[in-house]
Amino acid sequence: TQLLEQSPQFLSIQEGENLTVYCNSSSVFSSLQWYRQEPGEGPVLLVTVVTGGEVKKLKRLTFQFGDARKDSSLHITAAQPGDTGLYLCAGAVGNAGNMLTFGGGTRLMVKP
Amino acid sequence: ETGVTQTPRHLVMGMTNKKSLKCEQHLGHNAMYWYKQSAKKPLELMFVYNFKEQTENNSVPSRFSPECPNSSHLFLHLHTLQPEDSALYLCASSQVPGGLPRGYTFGSGTRLTVV
Repeated sequence: TQLLEQSPQFLSIQEGENLTVYCNSSSVFSSLQWYRQEPGEGPVLLVTVVTGGEVKKLKRLTFQFGDARKDSSLHITAAQPGDTGLYLCAGAVGNAGNMLTFGGGTRLMVKP
Repeated sequence: ETGVTQTPRHLVMGMTNKKSLKCEQHLGHNAMYWYKQSAKKPLELMFVYNFKEQTENNSVPSRFSPECPNSSHLFLHLHTLQPEDSALYLCASSQVPGGLPRGYTFGSGTRLTVV
């Protein structure tokens, strides 16, 4: 059973469009992170959200943590080809809080 | 050199071979991890080392053997692998003060093909 479900799995859009990807779970997480992975590389951390209801903005990217700390969303405004990649959410588990469980990812392609 | 470095980037090995993957971090982190990334599957945690001590073995077959000689280096020794072990193996490091994780820094991975 996958702890974190991401949707959609694949998304292909034109440059300039807006999009939202979702990360859902039945479990509560102390924190949740979003990573982006490009082909041939490891994931790179985009943001960490900690407080229920928290909203963080990173240029054209807006991240939200659900009030109950079970879900999160990533919204991209005016997508660009450089946004293309695999977006992964990850929740902190384990007693030390340093083990991450990852969702299956959303593969985004932004066409020029 | 900074960040997390993994070598080799690509590896092709036969099922009877023995090989090792290497990971080195220059970030002063005290926790290191091995993850497996297969097509159409989420990243799977394999091993966790906190302060050089293995704290997690996520039901990984014994043909995978980790080694952490110090807080900067992590190895994954491979022997008698199966074709289904072909995947991207990612190493990561993080700082663990206890409590909230501050995010992993990943290496670029080793693309392993077992033939």
